[in-house]
Amino acid sequence: GNSVTQMEGPVTLSEEAFLTINCTYTATGYPSLFWYVQYPGEGLQLLLKATKADDKGSNKGFEATYRKETTSFHLEKGSVQVSDSAVYFCALMNSGGYQKVTFGIGTKLQVIP
Amino acid sequence: GAVVSQHPSRVICKSGTSVKIECRSLDFQATTMFWYRQFPKQSLMLMATSNEGSKATYEQGVEKDKFLINHASLTLSTLTVTSAHPEDSSFYICSARAWAEGANTGELFFGEGSRLTVL
Repeated sequence: GNSVTQMEGPVTLSEEAFLTINCTYTATGYPSLFWYVQYPGEGLQLLLKATKADDKGSNKGFEATYRKETTSFHLEKGSVQVSDSAVYFCALMNSGGYQKVTFGIGTKLQVIP
Repeated sequence: GAVVSQHPSRVICKSGTSVKIECRSLDFQATTMFWYRQFPKQSLMLMATSNEGSKATYEQGVEKDKFLINHASLTLSTLTVTSAHPEDSSFYICSARAWAEGANTGELFFGEGSRLTVL
């Protein structure tokens, strides 16, 4: 079946540091890949997505590139802010009729001033 | 953007009672809604897929009689935890899929979640 593996964290960074959160996946076919973010006390919201190999999703300074050869979708940001503190979930949606979404464990990011 | 509202955000109940959680899509029609359970330090576990006007599809290991799901309209799905016990205490999250006309955007919109504590 499908699975998503991401670093558990927590990840603690100083403001303006470079961020990488690794995500790898196992899936049949050609899934779509997502990063969702959950801020404290809120529900999940879509951060970015990529629907095919070599696509790069980007939003709010975050980027992730769909790498089929390494089955990865690592999240990066060049300079994090305190307001980026949240839990980040990598997810995939398989192609085909029953488009079930599978989530990774979530990585908590804490950015300190 | 699309908004999904979930209510209540927190509920505490006694063991043996039933609790209903509502999930509403506020500005779009959701033919499909999903119910997840989130354990501490664990990912979201899909419990069931709720389709408007038909029976929900439950994931393996999820008790249908324990977690009753009703999707009576295009904007409302409910999850009822029947005869709740302390092990049912968890964070329950609903989501709805938004479909752009003529295309599948694939994006899920999530409710704020409901924290259930069973004493």
